[in-house]
Amino acid sequence: RKEVEQDPGPFNVPEGATVAFNCTYSNSASQSFFWYRQDCRKEPKLLMSVYSSGNEDGRFTAQLNRASQYISLLIRDSKLSDSATYLCVVNKGGQAGTALIFGKGTTLSVSS
Amino acid sequence: GAVVSQHPSRVICKSGTSVKIECRSLDFQATTMFWYRQFPKKSLMLMATSNEGSKATYEQGVEKDKFLINHASLTLSTLTVTSAHPEDSSFYICSARRPTSGRAHEQYFGPGTRLTVT
Repeated sequence: RKEVEQDPGPFNVPEGATVAFNCTYSNSASQSFFWYRQDCRKEPKLLMSVYSSGNEDGRFTAQLNRASQYISLLIRDSKLSDSATYLCVVNKGGQAGTALIFGKGTTLSVSS
Repeated sequence: GAVVSQHPSRVICKSGTSVKIECRSLDFQATTMFWYRQFPKKSLMLMATSNEGSKATYEQGVEKDKFLINHASLTLSTLTVTSAHPEDSSFYICSARRPTSGRAHEQYFGPGTRLTVT
């Protein structure tokens, strides 16, 4: 089983749509969880950290289910500028701040 | 947000030569930096963890004698690709760990260095 697995994508949605990405991780000792966004040929940029209680940042909502080792990202009211690859990321070891393991990413394309 | 720079952004070199890539955290001190490599349409793969003042920790399958890492200060880590081969051509990205007041220690990435070995 891969360490971090994501929906294969691509997701092609119209502006204004709601889209959800799923991710599972295999290391039960992971303590830190993130969603990163990566634009074509650019470095990843932190979108949001993910906490067990769930967290929301504007149109973005992240959820974590430790029992199922499952992470999700919901994007509401999609914008053209949301088009990118979304990376599910967990830390490698048992402590916060250790090396990160990246999923392959899910590509989102928002069209007008 | 935190700023991490990398230099150079793009480099083309001949087979057999060595290339040094610098990674700097510009507005915070980073005791730990990480080096990743990304091939086209693939995920980022961790190469090594660089700790200031100590030897880097390499991931399985990454040759430490080929990819030399030095973390000489709290704001600078360097990766040297020695005796480069065409198969080393890739996008090399560094990140710096910034402790936050929250539960997660977030990492901030440099803009990457695109290496092409001819």
